[in-house]
Amino acid sequence: GQQLNQSPQSMFIQEGEDVSMNCTSSSIFNTWLWYKQEPGEGPVLLIALYKAGELTSNGRLTAQFGITRKDSFLNISASIPSDVGIYFCAGRDTGTASKLTFGTGTRLQVTL
Amino acid sequence: DAGVTQSPTHLIKTRGQQVTLRCSPKSGHDTVSWYQQALGQGPQFIFQYYEEEERQRGNFPDRFSGHQFPNYSSELNVNALLLGDSALYLCASSSVGQGQVTQYFGPGTRLLVL
Repeated sequence: GQQLNQSPQSMFIQEGEDVSMNCTSSSIFNTWLWYKQEPGEGPVLLIALYKAGELTSNGRLTAQFGITRKDSFLNISASIPSDVGIYFCAGRDTGTASKLTFGTGTRLQVTL
Repeated sequence: DAGVTQSPTHLIKTRGQQVTLRCSPKSGHDTVSWYQQALGQGPQFIFQYYEEEERQRGNFPDRFSGHQFPNYSSELNVNALLLGDSALYLCASSSVGQGQVTQYFGPGTRLLVL
């Protein structure tokens, strides 16, 4: 099945550093969601974006809905050890009720 | 407020067997979606249930079927299991009143097919 392209695939950063990741699609979405998944758990919703150009924050996390509606970005500021996990983007396209198409994931490792 | 719950947490089956996985949605939600997550990949949409009917389906064979009950809980059934069906099966719930957009996931059922 289709998966969105996320980059980078993995990141190893030091505590306190900022993190940027992005997600691109060949098709337009009308909603973008960012999830975090830890080992043995289901994805946890971090941020939801509903409008092209929208910039939304949730604590140290900031996400943006790309103007073209084909991409989205997630930034994490001042990373801490509990930020470790896999971050997935998900898009909901215009032609379906609520099916989500997920990205390939960005694995984040934080070192002290 | 209980979140999405799934049972069992782990399951081991052999090829050719059948399996049933269960999901209870978050309180106040009426829509259940099922996803399959293979190791190292993002979740893939299987199907969605609303008002006890399958509303949308991904690219999965008919061996995958489901059901939604009047209390909004749901089951995923997989027949004639293949080795490739080994994966984490995730249930997500949402609400029509919220446009079914924001989906909340359960912890998943990890299925191993031997």
